Amino acid sequence: NFMLTQPHSMSESPGKTVTISCTRSSGSIASDYVQWYQQRPGSSPTTVIYEDNQRPSGVPDRFSGSIDSSSNSASLSISGLKAEDEADYYCQSYDTSSHWVFGGGTKLTVL
Amino acid sequence: QVQLLESGGGVVQPGKSLRLSCAASGFSFSSSAMHWVRQAPGKGLEWVAVIAYDGSDKNHADSVKGRFTISRDNFKNTLHLQMNSLRPEDTALYYCARDVGYSISSGRGFDYWGQGTLVTVSS
Repeated sequence: NFMLTQPHSMSESPGKTVTISCTRSSGSIASDYVQWYQQRPGSSPTTVIYEDNQRPSGVPDRFSGSIDSSSNSASLSISGLKAEDEADYYCQSYDTSSHWVFGGGTKLTVL
Repeated sequence: QVQLLESGGGVVQPGKSLRLSCAASGFSFSSSAMHWVRQAPGKGLEWVAVIAYDGSDKNHADSVKGRFTISRDNFKNTLHLQMNSLRPEDTALYYCARDVGYSISSGRGFDYWGQGTLVTVSS
């Protein structure tokens, strides 16, 4: 099994761009899809990115996902930050032993 | 629209059992793999179990293997989690979530989540 490591917290100002990283401990980040989930305080998670870089309908194009094989990491970028983007963000990927792995989560504060 | 409604949570003593349910509506339940995910108070998300669209295949996290069992009733559009030999560390909000695919190895992520049901294991 592998681990997904995210920064514990990040903060940025409204209107700016923030990029949250998710580093895979072993095996290639490109070998399995990476998803990103947003969890606002007191709410259940919602999907903002699936299959590395796909946005579900209704998710604004301010949200984008990418994969970097050189650093074995995935990234979630949020541009034009809004107060409503303040939330916890979790990356997730699949382990070929039919297990699912979540990152520890990143608390995003929009100052 | 897709709706997932969990129920069955509550306060239970260590060593006891509890059965969670997740009622699905707004989509073809029998075409989707389904998951249980939990979140301990103030902690992150932990995947618990997955079941294939037809119930033919399932898998559980090591932390619950041998104690929890995922199942589904496609006639009643309901997902279940039977939890036995509960421990204090099982205390969490339990979510059901729909897989983008139909098998336990789709690898495509989850697209819809329920609101969760709280399980508290305490004497």
